[in-house]
Amino acid sequence: SQQGEEDPQALSIQEGENATMNCSYKTSINNLQWYRQNSGRGLVHLILIRSNEREKHSGRLRVTLDTSKKSSSLLITASRAADTASYFCATAVKAAGNKLTFGGGTRVLVKP
Amino acid sequence: DTEVTQTPKHLVMGMTNKKSLKCEQHMGHRAMYWYKQKAKKPPELMFVYSYEKLSINESVPSRFSPECPNSSLLNLHLHALQPEDSALYLCASSQEVSGQETQYFGPGTRLLVL
Repeated sequence: SQQGEEDPQALSIQEGENATMNCSYKTSINNLQWYRQNSGRGLVHLILIRSNEREKHSGRLRVTLDTSKKSSSLLITASRAADTASYFCATAVKAAGNKLTFGGGTRVLVKP
Repeated sequence: DTEVTQTPKHLVMGMTNKKSLKCEQHMGHRAMYWYKQKAKKPPELMFVYSYEKLSINESVPSRFSPECPNSSLLNLHLHALQPEDSALYLCASSQEVSGQETQYFGPGTRLLVL
């Protein structure tokens, strides 16, 4: 089964609104990363949050990590049509050779 | 240069064909990866190379054969594939495999097996 599960699976919002998606995982992690994928293309790294960090910002992105609940959230503020993409969380687990395991993804549609 | 390139962009092959996917990076990264991604699914790890040696094989069928000729190149040789192998194949690289690095992904090769 997947290490990361994402919620919701799909999200449709108007331009200017905020988008929030959540990721839950099962085992202890080294870090959690968020990636974006535009339709049928490669993934682009957005942000990495280490297991000893609780919150991180990058531009319009805000990521939180709660290791006690084994969950993370990604908030995109003031969304734009160009933010339309699939967003994946990925966890790195030391016991698994530090390979990345991706969650199921959230498909975000930002309507102009 | 933070780019990972992959060729070809699209590939159509029959079940008896032999083909190869190529991946290249010039960032000095010592870890390279192959992922397989089916439509509307997350990428699934296939292979990891660390310092040009295969370090992880996720029980991938032998009809997929990876090769790392040097630190900048990663190939995936394909032989006798099945239609269910049709997918987007993504290559990625990172500084090392310590789990603390960003992975940089190529645009992928979209493979169709007839």
